[in-house]
Amino acid sequence: SAVISQKPSRDICQRGTSLTIQCQVDSQVTMMFWYRQQPGQSLTLIATANQGSEATYESGFVIDKFPISRPNLTFSTLTVSNMSPEDSSIYLCSSRDRNTGELFFGEGSRLTVL
Amino acid sequence: AQSVAQPEDQVNVAEGNPLTVKCTYSVSGNPYLFWYVQYPNRGLQFLLKYITGDNLVKGSYGFEAEFNKSQTSFHLKKPSALVSDSALYFCAVRDPKADKLIFGTGTRLQVFP
Repeated sequence: SAVISQKPSRDICQRGTSLTIQCQVDSQVTMMFWYRQQPGQSLTLIATANQGSEATYESGFVIDKFPISRPNLTFSTLTVSNMSPEDSSIYLCSSRDRNTGELFFGEGSRLTVL
Repeated sequence: AQSVAQPEDQVNVAEGNPLTVKCTYSVSGNPYLFWYVQYPNRGLQFLLKYITGDNLVKGSYGFEAEFNKSQTSFHLKKPSALVSDSALYFCAVRDPKADKLIFGTGTRLQVFP
């Protein structure tokens, strides 16, 4: 199956700053998904990113806080803006395998906001 | 709305014993059900899925899951647990209208030697 690489794998950030997470897929995919996994909790979908169009955000998530770029069929970024300690989470990028149709995930980016 | 419930936060089992991780679902229409595993400091890995057909689904690493429509359950099972199976397991359901996965809260499996 395809492989997703995420950078950074982890970071410690100061309150009020912003951080951009990069997601690279080793094959062309139509849809990419960004999930958040808060400590001890399940995964929550933040938004769906299609190449060439605006990302679609889930309830409770807004573009000003989590701007997303999708410049081509293999790459996406998620920015966590004006961070607060509540944003400390693992952020996971995912997409759908072209052969099996199943979601596959990157290894996640673990952010700690002080 | 589609949802899944994992009633156990943690399951402990001795190596070599059978294991079961529970999942129940609530869907409108035919359920598309999934199990994923998350090892420490790793992303999620797909284990198996049920779309249609045989109620017993076999997946990766010797895991299987049984779809039970009358009990609205999709429990994950393995006949003989390994210490290396210790991880966080997520049940998920696909919302076909929105083409997204909705995850349960996760169950931590601990297999003791």
